Amino acid sequence: GQNIDQPTEMTATEGAIVQINCTYQTSGFNGLFWYQQHAGEAPTFLSYNVLDGLEEKGRFSSFLSRSKGYSYLLLKELQMKDSASYLCAPMDSNYQLIWGAGTKLIIKP
Amino acid sequence: SAVISQKPSRDICQRGTSLTIQCQVDSQVTMMFWYRQQPGQSLTLIATANQGSEATYESGFVIDKFPISRPNLTFSTLTVSNLSPEDSSIYLCSAIQGAPDTGELFFGEGSRLTVL
Repeated sequence: GQNIDQPTEMTATEGAIVQINCTYQTSGFNGLFWYQQHAGEAPTFLSYNVLDGLEEKGRFSSFLSRSKGYSYLLLKELQMKDSASYLCAPMDSNYQLIWGAGTKLIIKP
Repeated sequence: SAVISQKPSRDICQRGTSLTIQCQVDSQVTMMFWYRQQPGQSLTLIATANQGSEATYESGFVIDKFPISRPNLTFSTLTVSNLSPEDSSIYLCSAIQGAPDTGELFFGEGSRLTVL
């Protein structure tokens, strides 16, 4: 079957660093996406990894290990506006995104 | 990047009626999708909207309940028929520009449906 495993909720302090882990199992693999979703809003694209390694984009970085079925999203210099759900979504062999429930990140002052 | 507009943004409907949600993209896209999301839950794919032909539905979703149209490359509609309170959810239109494995998925703002 296909499934995504992320922590349900995480808490971090403003200005700190947090790493959100994701393990996945899919039928085939065509890359992995990370999305941010604020409460009551649609998801917005953060990153896309198709090769192993780290992709850095400003305060956000995403890592992928295809052999381990593992990815993480790293958020640096946390800001209050980073409080949101973070969705890990691998793409299967049919080019469909597989969605988990996401990780709710709470930032405290 | 594509901008996706959905309407209505929210609606309250009576049991047994139907609601049609419109999705307009400001540029041509290769693929369009309809998702449903319950509060605190993951996105659930309803169907892929195919231009000029019948949509491709996921398991658990049927055309009679969720008829979908996509007359051209930038517009699609989703109808939720014979509404029941269990249909209360947020419905999201999304689209991919370019090849499916290289393009990011853009989302509309969502349509929040409440069925009484």
